[in-house]
Amino acid sequence: DTGVSQNPRHKITKRGQNVTFRCDPISEHNRLYWYRQTLGQGPEFLTYFQNEAQLEKSRLLSDRFSAERPKGSFSTLEIQRTEQGDSAMYLCASSRAGLVDTQYFGPGTRLTVL
Amino acid sequence: AQSVTQLGSHVSVSEGALVLLRCNYSSSVPPYLFWYVQYPNQGLQLLLKYTSAATLVKGINGFEAEFKKSETSFHLTKPSAHMSDAAEYFCAVSLGRAGAGNMLTFGGGTRLMVKP
Repeated sequence: DTGVSQNPRHKITKRGQNVTFRCDPISEHNRLYWYRQTLGQGPEFLTYFQNEAQLEKSRLLSDRFSAERPKGSFSTLEIQRTEQGDSAMYLCASSRAGLVDTQYFGPGTRLTVL
Repeated sequence: AQSVTQLGSHVSVSEGALVLLRCNYSSSVPPYLFWYVQYPNQGLQLLLKYTSAATLVKGINGFEAEFKKSETSFHLTKPSAHMSDAAEYFCAVSLGRAGAGNMLTFGGGTRLMVKP
């Protein structure tokens, strides 16, 4: 069990550029979640996958955001035409499916949009 | 819809003193409740969770929390604070829907400072 990993750990970009983040979950976990955490706030849910299917999306996830989980393994989160308001920590968590699954979080990717 | 309120964005205690971090929730159905800890530049680590079994839940690092339905609370306590407990603590709630994802709704967090 090597834990959830996320890359890159930090990303600085200019407004209007596209960025992509990667999350590698714990290998036997079939659920994967993305959250966003702004400074001084708790994480907010963005989207959720069970295996390769994206089953829920928050209204926070605008059309500029897209997430994929091909083959039910790693996941990517892409933000197109970044805005300064997208600056945040993007957290990924994985779990085994269950009534009350325990989510294991990665270290996050900190995005700064200049 | 569910929500979580953490009273006190900052709590300061002396080393060896009691730690009490407050969490109140709102949920239309019986909730599942969690406490997570976040150290600087790290992800969230689960301290403990309530899943409708015992109302007093023991977690890691000497922390425990008590579910009180009448008060809609799930406060986190530790009898004696250590310097290593200094971190950000988050309370979270989920609906625990069978066959569906368990999206967590987090409170705003409480930063715990421990004075020597």
